Amino acid sequence: QKEVEQNSGPLSVPEGAIASLNCTYSDRGSQSFFWYRQYSGKSPELIMFIYSNGDKEDGRFTAQLNKASQYVSLLIRDSQPSDSATYLCAVNKSGGYNKLIFGAGTRLAVHP
Amino acid sequence: NAGVTQTPKFQVLKTGQSMTLQCAQDMNHNSMYWYRQDPGMGLRLIYYSASEGTTDKGEVPNGYNVSRLNKREFSLRLESAAPSQTSVYFCASSDLITGHTYEQYFGPGTRLTVT
Repeated sequence: QKEVEQNSGPLSVPEGAIASLNCTYSDRGSQSFFWYRQYSGKSPELIMFIYSNGDKEDGRFTAQLNKASQYVSLLIRDSQPSDSATYLCAVNKSGGYNKLIFGAGTRLAVHP
Repeated sequence: NAGVTQTPKFQVLKTGQSMTLQCAQDMNHNSMYWYRQDPGMGLRLIYYSASEGTTDKGEVPNGYNVSRLNKREFSLRLESAAPSQTSVYFCASSDLITGHTYEQYFGPGTRLTVT
């Protein structure tokens, strides 16, 4: 089992719809969870982080965390073509706050 | 601020050649990292440096060495390049956001091809 698992996609959604990206992790001791966006040929950039169970909203983005189920998700409301990118889920390793384990990423395609 | 810079942007090596990838950050971060990214495999940690003067192995350290030259600079060396090291290499540095949560900032990457 991979430490951080994501569906590779592509996830295709129409413009204006809600995109739902999911991630599961295996380390129960992990405390911080991150979503990075990576455009083709570019470096990853942080868009959301969450460390408490529940929802965290930032503009059109909502991160959801369920530690009991070891599940993190990212919702993108009113999806735009500019949201088309690969979304990487990252989880910190327990005992190593600075070290992240990344999932392979989900490719999102928003079509007009 | 330039953030995290990497040189070179592209490199082609022949099997057995050596090279050093350079990374520098101007954000006064203590921790720095080297990752490689291969299609379908996400980012994998090669080495990291929690602070100046310390380095530790990540998930995939074989075939690489690192040097934390000072607080700003963290270099990655391939002593004898192999085709399996063809990848995109990212350097990152991290800063504390809150509590025990650190944000990692990434450089633009180096595309390395080993023939």
